[in-house]
Amino acid sequence: NAGVTQTPKFQVLKTGQSMTLQCAQDMNHEYMSWYRQDPGMGLRLIHYSVGAGITDQGEVPNGYNVSRSTTEDFPLRLLSAAPSQTSVYFCASSYSHRDQETQYFGPGTRLLVL
Amino acid sequence: GENVEQHPSTLSVQEGDSAVIKCTYSDSASNYFPWYKQELGKRPQLIIDIRSNVGEKKDQRIAVTLNKTAKHFSLHITETQPEDSAVYFCAASINFNKFYFGSGTKLNVKP
Repeated sequence: NAGVTQTPKFQVLKTGQSMTLQCAQDMNHEYMSWYRQDPGMGLRLIHYSVGAGITDQGEVPNGYNVSRSTTEDFPLRLLSAAPSQTSVYFCASSYSHRDQETQYFGPGTRLLVL
Repeated sequence: GENVEQHPSTLSVQEGDSAVIKCTYSDSASNYFPWYKQELGKRPQLIIDIRSNVGEKKDQRIAVTLNKTAKHFSLHITETQPEDSAVYFCAASINFNKFYFGSGTKLNVKP
């Protein structure tokens, strides 16, 4: 299993550009989430999904869109990049079944918006 | 929404000593509390977790305690080793949906 994969690893954007951060998992997990991590801060939830076709907002959803057309993929779209969106983005997939839970994170995407 | 506070922000201990990191949460509906370890430049990794129907859980040198009444939970690391040096995050979740993270504790274990 590849686990959770993210592409690209690093990206530089100009203000106003749009882009999509890709996330895929091959563990058939129901739940997937996107977080951003800024220096000296914990992870903040952007959007999450509890299954294909179902998404919801997290703490900091403004400026981001998501969709979940398949169980495996959960792309994050930046509509019009701003310098405030410079951050490290982590995708995670997780499951909860019969008192067994776990959450796996992808390797992260480092985004710089100029 | 849920608010998770974590203390201390930095913790320095001598190798072999114990380390304790504390978190509080605000939403009494939260029922799942994981702890993550993040090494520099790496992804967070789950090290231990606890459900709200359990007061304590232990895995070798790592233990987590939960006080639902006071709405706080703690990570205990015994016999610390230099490889325990990392940033540790606590989190709280309701029914494994949204996860709210603390701001992190940078643990430094001095040889």
